[in-house]
Amino acid sequence: NAGVTQTPKFRILKIGQSMTLQCTQDMNHNYMYWYRQDPGMGLKLIYYSVGAGITDKGEVPNGYNVSRSTTEDFPLRLELAAPSQTSVYFCASSFVPGGSEQYFGPGTRLTVT
Amino acid sequence: QQQVKQSPQSLIVQKGGIPIINCAYENTAFDYFPWYQQFPGKGPALLIAIRPDVSEKKEGRFTISFNKSAKQFSLHIMDSQPGDSATYFCAASFNQAGTALIFGKGTTLSVSS
Repeated sequence: NAGVTQTPKFRILKIGQSMTLQCTQDMNHNYMYWYRQDPGMGLKLIYYSVGAGITDKGEVPNGYNVSRSTTEDFPLRLELAAPSQTSVYFCASSFVPGGSEQYFGPGTRLTVT
Repeated sequence: QQQVKQSPQSLIVQKGGIPIINCAYENTAFDYFPWYQQFPGKGPALLIAIRPDVSEKKEGRFTISFNKSAKQFSLHIMDSQPGDSATYFCAASFNQAGTALIFGKGTTLSVSS
């Protein structure tokens, strides 16, 4: 099992550009999450999904969109990139909700200039 | 609103020392308290977790102490090694659908040889 994979690993965007961060898991987990990590700030939830076709906002959803057409994939879309979106983005998945282990991908480091 | 407060922000110990990282939470409905370990350039990985019905849990050199009345929990690393140098995050969550982990801001641990 590859676990949770994310692409790309690094990306530099210009202000106003758009991009999609890809996330795939091969553990057949229903629950998937997107977090952003800023220095000294921990991880904050952007969006989550409880299954294919079902998504909901987390703590910091502004400027992002998600979709979940399959169990395996949970892409994160950035529209009109802004410098405030410079961060490291982590995708995670879990077999059951809330109080259980979440498996994290290796992250995507995004810089918006 | 930060629901999980973690301290210290950074910690330096000598090899063999016992670093202690503390977390405090506000919401008494939390019922799952994990610690995640993150190495540079990697995603967080579950280290150890506890539920509020026990006061202590040990896994190898890692111990969680939990004080429900004080709404605090801590991570102790026995006989610390240079390979333990990493960032440690405490977190909390509810055991229900549609919830995710609420992370502390992290503690960067450096173990000198």
